Amino acid sequence: NAGVTQTPKFRILKIGQSMTLQCTQDMNHNYMYWYRQDPGMGLKLIYYSVGAGITDKGEVPNGYNVSRSTTEDFPLRLELAAPSQTSVYFCASSNRVGTDTQYFGPGTRLTVL
Amino acid sequence: DQQVKQNSPSLSVQEGRISILNCDYTNSMFDYFLWYKKYPAEGPTFLISISSIKDKNEDGRFTVFLNKSAKHLSLHIVPSQPGDSAVYFCATQTSYDKVIFGPGTSLSVIP
Repeated sequence: NAGVTQTPKFRILKIGQSMTLQCTQDMNHNYMYWYRQDPGMGLKLIYYSVGAGITDKGEVPNGYNVSRSTTEDFPLRLELAAPSQTSVYFCASSNRVGTDTQYFGPGTRLTVL
Repeated sequence: DQQVKQNSPSLSVQEGRISILNCDYTNSMFDYFLWYKKYPAEGPTFLISISSIKDKNEDGRFTVFLNKSAKHLSLHIVPSQPGDSAVYFCATQTSYDKVIFGPGTSLSVIP
């Protein structure tokens, strides 16, 4: 039981490049989330999904896209990377929204130069 | 506009003493509160939670206190151990909505 896995662990992008951050969970959770954490800041919600085929914007969605074709996978796409997207990205999942524990992946550290 | 505040970015405590981490929130509609713990290069992990119908919840060395009138919660760790050194995030939510995280407090427990 791996929980939530994320790839890659680290990535350096040039301005304007694109990439996809992968996230997979094996707990059969309906809800999945993408957060970013900037230094000295809490986790900010980028996008979330309540089930396969259903996604919605969080607090900071600009510059990102997501898809949810299966229960297990929730990739985050960065188009036209900008230095402001330098951050640590965490994927999480939970059985339901609300009063339920979220399980986090180990994170992807992204630098845009 | 921060809805969840942790005004102490860092805290140092001697091993064996009590660690007290504080959190303030602005929205009285929040009815569930959580603490997550994060080690470097790892994702946050759930530590302890409390519902708004309670004012205290205890789990081993960890106790969370909730003061709804003051919109304040605190996490007490007794006794503190070096392995408790981590960043602690306070988080709040309503029963139907997403989690909102505070900026975190970095706790160092000195042997």
